[in-house]
Amino acid sequence: GESVGLHLPTLSVQEGDNSIINCAYSNSASDYFIWYKQESGKGPQFIIDIRSNMDKRQGQRVTVLLNKTVKHLSLQIAATQPGDSAVYFCAENNNNNDMRFGAGTRLTVKP
Amino acid sequence: DAMVIQNPRYQVTQFGKPVTLSCSQTLNHNVMYWYQQKSSQAPKLLFHYYDKDFNNEADTPDNFQSRRPNTSFCFLDIRSPGLGDAAMYLCATSKMQGNTEAFFGQGTRLTVV
Repeated sequence: GESVGLHLPTLSVQEGDNSIINCAYSNSASDYFIWYKQESGKGPQFIIDIRSNMDKRQGQRVTVLLNKTVKHLSLQIAATQPGDSAVYFCAENNNNNDMRFGAGTRLTVKP
Repeated sequence: DAMVIQNPRYQVTQFGKPVTLSCSQTLNHNVMYWYQQKSSQAPKLLFHYYDKDFNNEADTPDNFQSRRPNTSFCFLDIRSPGLGDAAMYLCATSKMQGNTEAFFGQGTRLTVV
């Protein structure tokens, strides 16, 4: 079946630098995309979302970009902090509530 | 205050002994999901409810069942747990179909001995 996947399984950045986490999706019927942050031993936590009629959305220190032409999603974190260290998942959803997750990227922030 | 509550946080069960995991929500959301997450992997959707309508994923084993007696509660029943069923089980809710944020509980970590 169609799936959501990630290019990079791990990412290590210096504190204060910007981070970019990427995700590729293959289900063209998906119309809603979400980034989640998951810390060890906890459930995923919502970061930001974007609908398919948009190509960019900004939050506090985070920006999500959606490129429907190449089915690519990215999460940009500005001025990365040690508290940002976690695993980041993208997820796709549609009107069937088939919310599925990509493989995840582990972000490590070095002081 | 926690809005999606999973009990227990840690569950140990014997091989082949039925076990039930529970999830409750205070959000009055229509949709409730169950995911299985193994170590260093993404959450895998098992099934979801939209109100009372049950939607099973095609590759979810028959060993996994679910019940939703009312809006607030949803249960995951594993009829005969195997060693391969050891995982974190995550419950999530969302307000309506499709394009709305999902809220997750803290998960139940299941160990099978």
